[in-house]
Amino acid sequence: DTAVSQTPKYLVTQMGNDKSIKCEQNLGHDTMYWYKQDSKKFLKIMFSYNNKELIINETVPNRFSPKSPDKAHLNLHINSLELGDSAVYFCASSSPRTYEQYFGPGTRLTVT
Amino acid sequence: DQQVKQNSPSLSVQEGRISILNCDYTNSMFDYFLWYKKYPAEGPTFLISISSIKDKNEDGRFTVFLNKSAKHLSLHIVPSQPGDSAVYFCAASDGNKLVFGAGTILRVKS
Repeated sequence: DTAVSQTPKYLVTQMGNDKSIKCEQNLGHDTMYWYKQDSKKFLKIMFSYNNKELIINETVPNRFSPKSPDKAHLNLHINSLELGDSAVYFCASSSPRTYEQYFGPGTRLTVT
Repeated sequence: DQQVKQNSPSLSVQEGRISILNCDYTNSMFDYFLWYKKYPAEGPTFLISISSIKDKNEDGRFTVFLNKSAKHLSLHIVPSQPGDSAVYFCAASDGNKLVFGAGTILRVKS
């Protein structure tokens, strides 16, 4: 029973393309997140949504647009992909009044 | 500007011995600290946490110590097992988001 799932697991695409990564959680959590793990292995938060509303946007380029159709889903759409977007993207979720976040398996994006 | 630092990129320990992973932070507003474990090609999994009002939290083989005056926390694993070999991330919360360190690779040799 997967708690936080992401699709696809791997994504290889060319510069300039537009791509989406999907995330779903079945934990009943209200808050969902997107993180980027770059080549230096730092996990950095990009966005956070609570009950479908954006609550954190950490100076991410406008080419990145999260969308939350319901509180169980948080998708990430990326326009005009650049080489520097190559990274592993993790989705996570948490419940109210707790600090622990539960992560998905990650999506490795490679832009060529 | 790294607010959470894990200065040891890697650590190698013999099976059965103690593993000690360290983490330093700079932001006094952090009020909760967590450790995550990550295997290759998987997402981080929550391991143990500690509130800033405590100085120790124990869960089985895992103990986290917090020294607020030194802005330092550590994770002790005893006894270490080969299955503990993974990347360990320290994370700190300011009540709004988690800030992660770069991780420490732990290798437990059998």
